Amino acid sequence: AQRVTQPEKLLSVFKGAPVELKCNYSYSGSPELFWYVQYSRQRLQLLLRHISRESIKGFTADLNKGETSFHLKKPFAQEEDSAMYYCALSEGLGAQKLVFGQGTRLTINP
Amino acid sequence: DAGITQSPRHKVTETGTPVTLRCHQTENHRYMYWYRQDPGHGLRLIHYSYGVKDTDKGEVSDGYSVSRSKTEDFLLTLESATSSQTSVYFCAVGQAYEQYFGPGTRLTVT
Repeated sequence: AQRVTQPEKLLSVFKGAPVELKCNYSYSGSPELFWYVQYSRQRLQLLLRHISRESIKGFTADLNKGETSFHLKKPFAQEEDSAMYYCALSEGLGAQKLVFGQGTRLTINP
Repeated sequence: DAGITQSPRHKVTETGTPVTLRCHQTENHRYMYWYRQDPGHGLRLIHYSYGVKDTDKGEVSDGYSVSRSKTEDFLLTLESATSSQTSVYFCAVGQAYEQYFGPGTRLTVT
């Protein structure tokens, strides 16, 4: 069965410091990986998907199939990055369901 | 917000009573989902629908039922609420490639 693990429940960094939110997965096929974000008083929303290889709000994530990881990174954290972040996996293109990790609450200190 | 609303937004109920939560969408998405969000567990899929009258179970479906009689509405029923069902419930629409989430319903079972 698919499983997504985010080992850090809480992560706190200072403004301007680099950020890395960890995500590991277990799935025997070729998964699609996503990062979702929930800002305070806002809805959960898609941040980025690995297949797009895009950078959103300065965040990037690289799928490492050898390490089964999809860590989210940003070189210089900003206070508005404080939020709850979820890593999610689907079974591939055309799949209809997502499996979410436990979430990491990121706090950026001024 | 992809035209997704949830009702009620907050509810307190007693153990053993039935509860129905409603998700309404205005953009004609075929797929709809119900998740629950709990600290330490992230988001877990309860049930999902792939069309009118077509539904399937998710990871944590015990104690829940769903119905979809119209494209725009997806109902989640707790047949006999228990304290373990105290949670925040999110509806989502779309597909695994991108899901759009509702604002959530905070349910407390006393």
